[in-house]
Order: sequence, then C-alpha cells, then structure tokens
Amino acid sequence: DTEVTQTPKHLVMGMTNKKSLKCEQHMGHRAMYWYKQKAKKPPELMFVYSYEKLSINESVPSRFSPECPNSSLLNLHLHALQPEDSALYLCASSQDPSSDTQYFGPGTRLTVL
Amino acid sequence: GNSVTQMEGPVTLSEEAFLTINCTYTATGYPSLFWYVQYPGEGLQLLLKATKADDKGSNKGFEATYRKETTSFHLEKGSVQVSDSAVYFCALSPTWSGGYNKLIFGAGTRLAVHP
Repeated sequence: DTEVTQTPKHLVMGMTNKKSLKCEQHMGHRAMYWYKQKAKKPPELMFVYSYEKLSINESVPSRFSPECPNSSLLNLHLHALQPEDSALYLCASSQDPSSDTQYFGPGTRLTVL
Repeated sequence: GNSVTQMEGPVTLSEEAFLTINCTYTATGYPSLFWYVQYPGEGLQLLLKATKADDKGSNKGFEATYRKETTSFHLEKGSVQVSDSAVYFCALSPTWSGGYNKLIFGAGTRLAVHP
C-alpha cells in the first residue's frame, strides 16, 4: 500500500482565518514533504520533515507553519494568508530522507478570499 | 546543476494513437528518473521509475527507458485511451549526497485524448 491521505479535499478561507491541513501515511515512512502547486505548474517544495524533525524550509513565509506530531502525521497550519496563496497543497512521503521515491497524496485545494 | 526538460504541450491525440512525450535531463552522477501523472483535480501518482542506465520502467501500458548516452527518459504508450488524458511530469532524483533526496520536476506536458 502506497497511500498518502490528505484532508480536507477543498478549503475556502478568509485572510483573517486560521486553518490547518492534515496529511497521514501508514507506510512507516520517515520523511514527509509539503509542496505547493499553482495551476499549470509543477509542484514546488515548501518543507521537508526527516524523522519528525524539520530539515528543510524553502524560504516559506511564516504564515505557513508546519508540524509533525508523530511519524505518521504532518500538519500545515495556515494563518493570515493572502489570495496569492490559493493553490493545490500536496503532501508526500518517502521511506527515509535518502530514498529516491516520493509518494504523493491527493492534495488540498485551497482558496483564499 | 540538475534540471529536467519536457516537450511543451498540449499534446492532442485520437484514441488508440501512439504516444511519445519527450524528456531530457541534466544531472551529475546517476540520478533516478520518474514519470508522475496528474489527472484533473487530483494529486500526483507515480507512473513508473528507472534507477540505472538501460532500465525500462513500465506500468499501465506506459514505458520509458533510461538512456544515459542521450540523457533521455521518453514516455511511450502504444495505444492511448480517453482516460489517459492528464498532465505528465518527468522528474529526477539526484544521486544522494546527504540531507534529503530532492525531486526535480519538468514543467509538465498536458495530454488530451479525444474519441
């Protein structure tokens, strides 16, 4: 089984709201990733968690706050977003940080009004 | 540096036509190569991969061969279906040198198959 799940599937929020995206995998993977994908573009890496510790932050604004409460879960907390943050947010996982293969979830379609 | 170049789309084909989507890469060492597919409104699905020269990845009738001499990983399918309409991303994962293994994507190629 190579399933990564994400909730919610769709999210609409105002610029003053606080919301969270959730990602889960039960494959025993120890590396997890957040990507942002704008329309007609490839995914852009935001964060990498390695053994539940944040190892990479690709200069993402502080209004995006990741959290990895355990080895199966990854959250992305959102606060004071801008309309240009509207995008598809994808979670991925790999067996460990050295593994070459990442498995993606279905994504959360975020709209910021 | 590492990069992936894909043919620009959209690619428009009739059902049962032969498909080729070109992908070339630049990388040092021996990267792993991937094709991911993204159906409308969905996330990325791993379609196939190859990890060394002359390897052929295959899945669901799609094939791609890792050609180190031409630094290419072209995606082919003998007979496409309407359900194959999607965006296809070629990607590479560089030879691991510590830290994490970054995925580098091409720009994506949109395929539209009509009956």
